[in-house]
Amino acid sequence: NAGVTQTPKFQVLKTGQSMTLQCAQDMNHNSMYWYRQDPGMGLRLIYYSASEGTTDKGEVPNGYNVSRLNKREFSLRLESAAPSQTSVYFCASGLSLPFYEQYFGPGTRLTVT
Amino acid sequence: ELKVEQNPLFLSMQEGKNYTIYCNYSTTSDRLYWYRQDPGKSLESLFVLLSNGAVKQEGRLMASLDTKARLSTLHITAAVHDLSATYFCAVDYGSSGDKLTFGTGTRLAVRP
Repeated sequence: NAGVTQTPKFQVLKTGQSMTLQCAQDMNHNSMYWYRQDPGMGLRLIYYSASEGTTDKGEVPNGYNVSRLNKREFSLRLESAAPSQTSVYFCASGLSLPFYEQYFGPGTRLTVT
Repeated sequence: ELKVEQNPLFLSMQEGKNYTIYCNYSTTSDRLYWYRQDPGKSLESLFVLLSNGAVKQEGRLMASLDTKARLSTLHITAAVHDLSATYFCAVDYGSSGDKLTFGTGTRLAVRP
């Protein structure tokens, strides 16, 4: 089992460029999540998907879009990157009831210049 | 809005000593999660605490949950260098409880 995989591992963008971060899980989880991690801020939820075909906003959705392509894959798109989006992005997938433990991918380190 | 606060934010401790990290949260929840993150790495699940009074232990780490006080503790016994990492607590919320709010993390440095 690969668990949760993310591509790319590193990316440098110029302001205004677009890109898509890819995430896949092989644990047959219904829920998938995108977080960003900034120094001193912990992890903040960008978007999540409770099941295939559904997505919902988290705490910091502005400037991002997501697609739940199928049960395995959940992508995050930056349409017009801004320096404020420089961060480490983690994808996670999660169990459902009776508890919601999440499993994290290795992360994508994104720098926007 | 659910708030999750950890303290201390940074902890430098000597090998062999004991210490406790605290996690307070602002709304009712019966489930709390602890994660570990090594520098430059991803998050690894340590403990899932599912009810009031729950206690879990793994090696030198012991986590407990008091839902009435909205408090969880992560106790470190006889610290060793390998425990140096950042520790996060998280609480689930949402109408179906399937989202987590994370604390800002406690960076632990164990020195000889």
